[in-house]
Amino acid sequence: AQKVTQAQTEISVVEKEDVTLDCVYETRDTTYYLFWYKQPPSGELVFLIRRNSFDEQNEISGRYSWNFQKSTSSFNFTITASQVVDSAVYFCALSDYNTDKLIFGTGTRLQVFP
Amino acid sequence: DAGITQSPRHKVTETGTPVTLRCHQTENHRYMYWYRQDPGHGLRLIHYSYGVKDTDKGEVSDGYSVSRSKTEDFLLTLESATSSQTSVYFCAISESGLAGRSSYNEQFFGPGTRLTVL
Repeated sequence: AQKVTQAQTEISVVEKEDVTLDCVYETRDTTYYLFWYKQPPSGELVFLIRRNSFDEQNEISGRYSWNFQKSTSSFNFTITASQVVDSAVYFCALSDYNTDKLIFGTGTRLQVFP
Repeated sequence: DAGITQSPRHKVTETGTPVTLRCHQTENHRYMYWYRQDPGHGLRLIHYSYGVKDTDKGEVSDGYSVSRSKTEDFLLTLESATSSQTSVYFCAISESGLAGRSSYNEQFFGPGTRLTVL
């Protein structure tokens, strides 16, 4: 069965520190998609990135970067030089190949202190 | 931002009463989803729809029903609300699911509805 594990329940850092959020997934599918979403204190869910299983290139978008490693079934998210505005709950999610469903991890709450 | 609205945004109701939550989209996307978010559980899929009048169950569908009579509207009904259904409910849309299995579009989420069942 598909599963997403975000073992870090909560992380606290001081502004300008780098921080990595871990995501480990389980799937028997050979084709799948991985996602990261951000949920700021205001409550909405913001899409950050989609990655398919055939593309293991790391991606960088400004201060955000993602490291996808199939060998370890991980899709980790790094924020460089964190800012207070990065404080949010971050969710990793995995697509189910046979349905149109997303399986979400339980989320990691990131608190960035000034 | 994807055009998704949810109504009501907040609701307090009593155990045993029926409740209907509405999700409305202006994107003409085919797929619509209802999730609930609870501490320690992340988001869990309740029901989803892959077209008008085409719906299917998700992970936590017991006690919920859905209807989709128009592309733009997806209704979630709690037939007889219970305290365990106190939660934040999110609607999501996506342009395509696994159509052709060559792509899988991200889901965009509505602002959420906070439901309290007393």
